Amino acid sequence: GENVEQHPSTLSVQEGDSAVIKCTYSDSASNYFPWYKQELGKRPQLIIDIRSNVGEKKDQRIAVTLNKTAKHFSLHITETQPEDSAVYFCAASRGSGAGSYQLTFGKGTKLSVIP
Amino acid sequence: GAVVSQHPSWVICKSGTSVKIECRSLDFQATTMFWYRQFPKQSLMLMATSNEGSKATYEQGVEKDKFLINHASLTLSTLTVTSAHPEDSSFYICSARSGGGGSYGYTFGSGTRLTVV
Repeated sequence: GENVEQHPSTLSVQEGDSAVIKCTYSDSASNYFPWYKQELGKRPQLIIDIRSNVGEKKDQRIAVTLNKTAKHFSLHITETQPEDSAVYFCAASRGSGAGSYQLTFGKGTKLSVIP
Repeated sequence: GAVVSQHPSWVICKSGTSVKIECRSLDFQATTMFWYRQFPKQSLMLMATSNEGSKATYEQGVEKDKFLINHASLTLSTLTVTSAHPEDSSFYICSARSGGGGSYGYTFGSGTRLTVV
């Protein structure tokens, strides 16, 4: 099955600096890579996702890059703000189309943005 | 957007009793429902996958007789924790997926905090 590794497990940055979280996956058939932000006791919130036919995607201060050859994908947050503090999870799935493909999650990164 | 309503949001039960958690898709047909468990400061671990009208597929190490999943309709799936024990205390989250048309994203419920005393 799929195995997703996520680093670092914790990350502290000064407000305004950038944060980068990296993930690797093992299943070459995975083609959908979402990133979730989870606050304590809440559901995961999708913040950005990328499909395997795209190498990079950006949404305001958030960007995701994908290297299919190396099976790496990364989350980049620029101009961090205290409200960005949360746990971030990467995930991988074979299911960019219809089907019951499950998401496999990384172990999470606790991001702390210091004012 | 797609919404999944999960109830209850929290529940406290005594050891040996059973607890039912419901997830309803409010504005789309949830062909597939995934059930996750999340321990404090850990990731989401998939427990089982269910397709409407079929038996659930359980992940290795998850007891199907203890965690009963029913997905009898395209808008409702339930997870029943039977004979609960303190080690079953956890955060349980469902995630629904539509089978065709529109978005193929995963929509999460708000989670249920189960505490077994």
